[in-house]
Amino acid sequence: GDSVTQMEGPVTLSEEAFLTINCTYTATGYPSLFWYVQYPGEGLQLLLKATKADDKGSNKGFEATYRKETTSFHLEKGSVQVSDSAVYFCALSDVGTGFQKLVFGTGTRLLVSP
Amino acid sequence: GAGVSQSPSNKVTEKGKDVELRCDPISGHTALYWYRQSLGQGLEFLIYFQGNSAPDKSGLPSDRFSAERTGGSVSTLTIQRTQQEDSAVYLCASSPYTGELFFGEGSRLTVL
Repeated sequence: GDSVTQMEGPVTLSEEAFLTINCTYTATGYPSLFWYVQYPGEGLQLLLKATKADDKGSNKGFEATYRKETTSFHLEKGSVQVSDSAVYFCALSDVGTGFQKLVFGTGTRLLVSP
Repeated sequence: GAGVSQSPSNKVTEKGKDVELRCDPISGHTALYWYRQSLGQGLEFLIYFQGNSAPDKSGLPSDRFSAERTGGSVSTLTIQRTQQEDSAVYLCASSPYTGELFFGEGSRLTVL
């Protein structure tokens, strides 16, 4: 079945450092890809998405590009802030089901220190 | 509030007891999803509702798990005869059909 693999955390960075969180996927079709973020004490919220190959999703300074050839959707940010500390989940939609059934990775915790 | 509301936020129960977890979705959202997040695991899909019907309940782990949705709104996830492996955070999400998912903060279940 479809699956998502993302790098294990925690990822510990200093403020203003460059961030990459790797995500690769396995899917039989052409899924849409997502990054969700969970801030402490809050529910998951959509950070960005891409629906087809070579699309770039972006939001709040974060970017990810849908790479079909490498089946990847790595999350990047040029300069992280303390407020970016959260758990980040990569996910894909199982397009074969006709609704947005999401398959998630295990999450990567990001810790940013001042 | 305007978001997805889940209750209780924390539940500790003894093995063998039944528990009910409630989800109040965003008003007007037709789709409702239940996911489970176990320690060290990703989010595991449990069941999906469109209106009051459940076209996909393939993720329910056993017949001890059931869910219903009434009035196209509130949903209840029931776990009968709880086991220790049921300990997890149960997340509910709602969306306009095929739209973005909006998650609640989850219900943390601990089975002793």
